[in-house]
Amino acid sequence: EPEVTQTPSHQVTQMGQEVILRCVPISNHLYFYWYRQILGQKVEFLVSFYNNEISEKSEIFDDQFSVERPDGSNFTLKIRSTKLEDSAMYFCASSDSGQPQHFGDGTRLSIL
Amino acid sequence: KNEVEQSPQNLTAQEGEFITINCSYSVGISALHWLQQHPGGGIVSLFMLSSGKKKHGRLIATINIQEKHSSLHITASHPRDSAVYICAVQKASYGKLTFGQGTILTVHP
Repeated sequence: EPEVTQTPSHQVTQMGQEVILRCVPISNHLYFYWYRQILGQKVEFLVSFYNNEISEKSEIFDDQFSVERPDGSNFTLKIRSTKLEDSAMYFCASSDSGQPQHFGDGTRLSIL
Repeated sequence: KNEVEQSPQNLTAQEGEFITINCSYSVGISALHWLQQHPGGGIVSLFMLSSGKKKHGRLIATINIQEKHSSLHITASHPRDSAVYICAVQKASYGKLTFGQGTILTVHP
């Protein structure tokens, strides 16, 4: 069964550095999402992406964050000037029309 | 106020027991999702519901749109069912999911 693939599985970064989290959605899916889960808290929405542009973003998704689909397969989340509170599990998801969202296994981001 | 509330937050059961997890929501939705999160963190979609009832193996999900309430049932529970079960709502087709806090289920042999 097709899967959403996220890399790396764990990223450790110094505060203030930039990180890029990568996702390969399922190939025929058109809708892409980033979510995050801070340890012990519920999953929260960051941004959705369709037709090469952002379709919705949350209050969390400020100028520190950006998303790109640099080619036909990858979907990236860039976090600039990371802060301690950016430490979380970041999930990528993709879906086809009317279907459930398929989630990747997540990237655990640790900011030191 | 949270748009999605789950109960209970923690649930412990003996193997073989029938389990029910409840979800209430306060907004209009296009679909409600039940998801499972294992200790490693990965999230798996179990059901996507817009009305009625769905069954997959030992899992049954129901939704009452008028009451804004959904339940997830597990029949003949097994230790491998131990996980966090999460209810999430989708207000618009293809839109974001809004998640509940999750229910931590532990099934003892």
